[in-house]
Amino acid sequence: EDQVTQSPEALRLQEGESSSLNCSYTVSGLRGLFWYRQDPGKGPEFLFTLYSAGEEKEKERLKATLTKKESFLHITAPKPEDSATYLCAVQGLKTSYDKVIFGPGTSLSVIP
Amino acid sequence: GAVVSQHPSRVICKSGTSVKIECRSLDFQATTMFWYRQFPKKSLMLMATSNEGSKATYEQGVEKDKFLINHASLTLSTLTVTSAHPEDSSFYICSSYSGSDTQYFGPGTRLTVL
Repeated sequence: EDQVTQSPEALRLQEGESSSLNCSYTVSGLRGLFWYRQDPGKGPEFLFTLYSAGEEKEKERLKATLTKKESFLHITAPKPEDSATYLCAVQGLKTSYDKVIFGPGTSLSVIP
Repeated sequence: GAVVSQHPSRVICKSGTSVKIECRSLDFQATTMFWYRQFPKKSLMLMATSNEGSKATYEQGVEKDKFLINHASLTLSTLTVTSAHPEDSSFYICSSYSGSDTQYFGPGTRLTVL
């Protein structure tokens, strides 16, 4: 059964203090791994898609990396506006083509 | 990215009434839409896959007669919560693919059943 876990559950950072969020996954063949950002009371906002081990994607202060078992979302010099819940999701080769499985998320708070 | 809208954004209803939530793809045609439910501080749980012109596919444990889904056009899917009860209170979110392999989500609907 495909599974996704994320750690830590919650993270508090000082503004400018870089860190990484972890997403560990178990799938029978990975079709894609997705990172989303979700603000309170809003729908998830797409950030990145990663397809194969070794792949990296960057957007402003965020960089996502992928290995065969996990993905990291690195946040460099975060700002208060980066505070949000970050969700990881995977799409396995054996699941229905369009379905994804979401992890529980990491709630990030960046303190000024 | 692609735009998905939902209406209403918030709804409060009395126990026993039915509530309809609309999900629209604004700048693309969506043959498939997804309905998720999210509890406070929890992740998204897929409820059903809505297919244009055919019956929805429900996930295990989701009551078909409780959560009615209609996908009558390529830009609109509706979720009706029938005979709502307080335990149905939740955040409901729809999503779709815009032709790529990326899901785009609506802003969500907060349902409160009194």
